[in-house]
Amino acid sequence: KAGVTQTPRYLIKTRGQQVTLSCSPISGHRSVSWYQQTPGQGLQFLFEYFSETQRNKGNFPGRFSGRQFSNSRSEMNVSTLELGDSALYLCASSAGGPYGYTFGSGTRLTVV
Amino acid sequence: AQSVTQLDSQVPVFEEAPVELRCNYSSSVSVYLFWYVQYPNQGLQLLLKYLSGSTLVESINGFEAEFNKSQTSFHLRKPSVHISDTAEYFCAVSERGNTPLVFGKGTRLSVIA
Repeated sequence: KAGVTQTPRYLIKTRGQQVTLSCSPISGHRSVSWYQQTPGQGLQFLFEYFSETQRNKGNFPGRFSGRQFSNSRSEMNVSTLELGDSALYLCASSAGGPYGYTFGSGTRLTVV
Repeated sequence: AQSVTQLDSQVPVFEEAPVELRCNYSSSVSVYLFWYVQYPNQGLQLLLKYLSGSTLVESINGFEAEFNKSQTSFHLRKPSVHISDTAEYFCAVSERGNTPLVFGKGTRLSVIA
C-alpha cells in the first residue's frame, strides 16, 4: 500500500512569488491535513479537508489556501511568499477522525 | 483550548540506558493522545496512540506510554535505548471528535554510544 506522497520534495522560491504543493493520500483515505513545521514555531496546523470540503482551519493568513479534489488528492497554495514562509510543509491523511494520521515526507520550501 | 507541553527539548542518554520523554496536555474534554517520531529529513511516523481502554499502550519497537488522566500526562518510556532511536519525538493531542492534532514542541533524543 503506497504511503502519502508529497511533491515536490524541495522548492526554492523568491519573495513575492506563489507556490503550489501537492499531496496524494493513502488510497481510501478521505481526510487530508496540512501542517507547517519550523524550528521556532514547531508543528502548526494549516487546514484539513474531508471529501473536498474544508473541515478545519488553523490560524494562518489568507495567503495560505488549499483544496481537495474528488480523488482525495490535495493541494495547498501560498501566494505572495515571505521569507518567514520557509518551512517544511507536511501533509497527513487519515481514514477519518484522528485515529492515527499517516504523514508524507514533506516539501521543504525555501524562500529567498 | 487544547495544548501540549513537552518538558524537555533535548534528552541525551547512553545506549542501553532507560529513557523517559515527558508530555503534559491541557484540555477541558476527553482526548486522544499520540506520540510521533521524526528522523532527519523525513516526515512523522506514528509510534503509539491512546484512544480509550487500557491506559498503558505499547509500540512494536519497545516504547510504551501511560495515560494518566489525573496528572494530564502521557509520558513515553523505553527500558533500553539503541543508537537507532536517535530522533525527534512529538507528543500530540486531539479532543474527541473531528479536531486537528495539536503538537508539542518536540524532544530531541540523542543516544550516545
